Amino acid sequence: DVKVTQSSRYLVKRTGEKVFLECVQDMDHENMFWYRQDPGLGLRLIYFSYDVKMKEKGDIPEGYSVSREKKERFSLILESASTNQTSMYLCASRTTGQINQPQHFGDGTRLSIL
Amino acid sequence: AQTVTQSQPEMSVQEAETVTLSCTYDTSESDYYLFWYKQPPSRQMILVIRQEAYKQQNATENRFSVNFQKAAKSFSLKISDSQLGDAAMYFCAQTDSWGKLQFGAGTQVVVTP
Repeated sequence: DVKVTQSSRYLVKRTGEKVFLECVQDMDHENMFWYRQDPGLGLRLIYFSYDVKMKEKGDIPEGYSVSREKKERFSLILESASTNQTSMYLCASRTTGQINQPQHFGDGTRLSIL
Repeated sequence: AQTVTQSQPEMSVQEAETVTLSCTYDTSESDYYLFWYKQPPSRQMILVIRQEAYKQQNATENRFSVNFQKAAKSFSLKISDSQLGDAAMYFCAQTDSWGKLQFGAGTQVVVTP
């Protein structure tokens, strides 16, 4: 089974801090994704990466950056955390190729910015 | 741009009964897949079922089946013989040609004994 592991289940940070959310997958997947989940809005794509050192903006990249130095790890960075970034963050991975390949998700990080 | 719409914020069903969740989408892609994901309170997103856009036959996975109406851009999920373990948030999603997913807002399914 694919395992996508997010480093923290709950995280509390202060406004202005630089925040790192880590995601690791164990299936040698090329594609990795970061989503933000808010009530009534579903999941929205922040950034994605098709392969190592590659990154593409999703629908809501403002205030975020990402890093993919190794294939198995995809990090989401909040450069200067703000209260409107309080949310649930979900990481996902999938193998490349046919579009029928589903994304596999981690358990999410619930981030609170005070 | 792709959009996915789930118009039912919450649906309630009794155990052993059937519930249908609606989903409509809009895309200009000719090749795409549609998915239903389930998110229980544990927060783990679980793939329930997927449908290929070029296949007329509706997908089925045990008690879960879809009604795919391509012309109407509709992709509803039917849960038969509902069980307490089916209680979760259900998300409809569409993939584009790059494998990116566009999600709907979700429907909370409540199962009552």
